[in-house]
Amino acid sequence: GENVEQHPSTLSVQEGDSAVIKCTYSDSASNYFPWYKQELGKRPQLIIDIRSNVGEKKDQRIAVTLNKTAKHFSLHITETQPEDSAVYFCAASRIAAGNKLTFGGGTRVLVKP
Amino acid sequence: DVKVTQSSRYLVKRTGEKVFLECVQDMDHENMFWYRQDPGLGLRLIYFSYDVKMKEKGDIPEGYSVSREKKERFSLILESASTNQTSMYLCASCSGTGPDSPLHFGNGTRLTVT
Repeated sequence: GENVEQHPSTLSVQEGDSAVIKCTYSDSASNYFPWYKQELGKRPQLIIDIRSNVGEKKDQRIAVTLNKTAKHFSLHITETQPEDSAVYFCAASRIAAGNKLTFGGGTRVLVKP
Repeated sequence: DVKVTQSSRYLVKRTGEKVFLECVQDMDHENMFWYRQDPGLGLRLIYFSYDVKMKEKGDIPEGYSVSREKKERFSLILESASTNQTSMYLCASCSGTGPDSPLHFGNGTRLTVT
């Protein structure tokens, strides 16, 4: 089955700096890579996703890049703000297999004002 | 807005008890999932269901079973609770597959087994 590894497990950044979270996956057939954000005490929510036929996707201050050859993908947050403080999870799946996501271990991001 | 409701926010049970965790969604979603969340391990899939009365094992099904008698309700059952099942349990639902069908999570049930 799929295995997703996520690094770092914790990340502390100064407000306004950038944050980068990296994930690797094992199943070369995986073709869908979502990112979920979980604020303290709240439920995880999808923030951005990317399909394997795209190398990069951007939505305002967040962007995701995908390297299929190396089987890794990354989340980039620019101009970080205190409300970006949360746990971020990457995930991978095969679209044809339904939304049976395999998640990474999570990254706790702390944005210091 | 999709609402996924888990019946209990906190539960404390004793070793050996049978435990039921209930999840209800109000958007007529076909697919429902049970994950457990542990620090450093992310979310791990226990069981999922693509239709009423259908169930499939996820990555860590041992010690758990599920029931989906109605489309809106997906129950997770711990037949005989053990201390290593102390965890946060998250239910999720979605309407289809892939990018057009993100998972909608419930608020979670924090289960403590003593």
